Amino acid sequence: GAGVSQSPSNKVTEKGKDVELRCDPISGHTALYWYRQSLGQGLEFLIYFQGNSAPDKSGLPSDRFSAERTGGSVSTLTIQRTQQEDSAVYLCASSYISVPEQYFGPGTRLTVT
Amino acid sequence: DQQVKQNSPSLSVQEGRISILNCDYTNSMFDYFLWYKKYPAEGPTFLISISSIKDKNEDGRFTVFLNKSAKHLSLHIVPSQPGDSAVYFCAASDSGGSNYKLTFGKGTLLTVNP
Repeated sequence: GAGVSQSPSNKVTEKGKDVELRCDPISGHTALYWYRQSLGQGLEFLIYFQGNSAPDKSGLPSDRFSAERTGGSVSTLTIQRTQQEDSAVYLCASSYISVPEQYFGPGTRLTVT
Repeated sequence: DQQVKQNSPSLSVQEGRISILNCDYTNSMFDYFLWYKKYPAEGPTFLISISSIKDKNEDGRFTVFLNKSAKHLSLHIVPSQPGDSAVYFCAASDSGGSNYKLTFGKGTLLTVNP
């Protein structure tokens, strides 16, 4: 079946602009995670959605970052007033509830100039 | 404070030999461990996992060993193949509640030479 998809695959933006990154999880997966990978680093947890529960936003690095998940499916990560340190690969993953194994999308490479 | 550490940034092995990738963790609340493989410009691919109630899990050429007292796990690949060349990430989770957010190491680049 179809895996996790993300769009766009690459995004170049100017410092100070807002960006939106999209994630389509695997059908039937109720848990959705966002991570980012900065150059030379491991993946860093950003936010977690599970069904209608309040999301776990504990990994968001600043209030410029926000995310939503509509209808329990598609999710959008928004970064306002982008900064150069936001440059990274943003990865989305999904899983069934109460299952640790997560399946990742290909990521969105964000470059802030 | 890095809670999951992969101290070897790279590893090179000959085709057919064993590859051993190591991972150490500091958080005693972690109770589930996973290995992911990543090719350039792709997302990580799940390889194998282990619960803290076990000390070994095997899947084909891949075996993960967990030493809880040492807070150490390792991934063995036998025999290694050139297609195994990729970055391998160790990840850990504290399964309190239903949020299995993963804490990742920085990865080890494995190169398998023909």
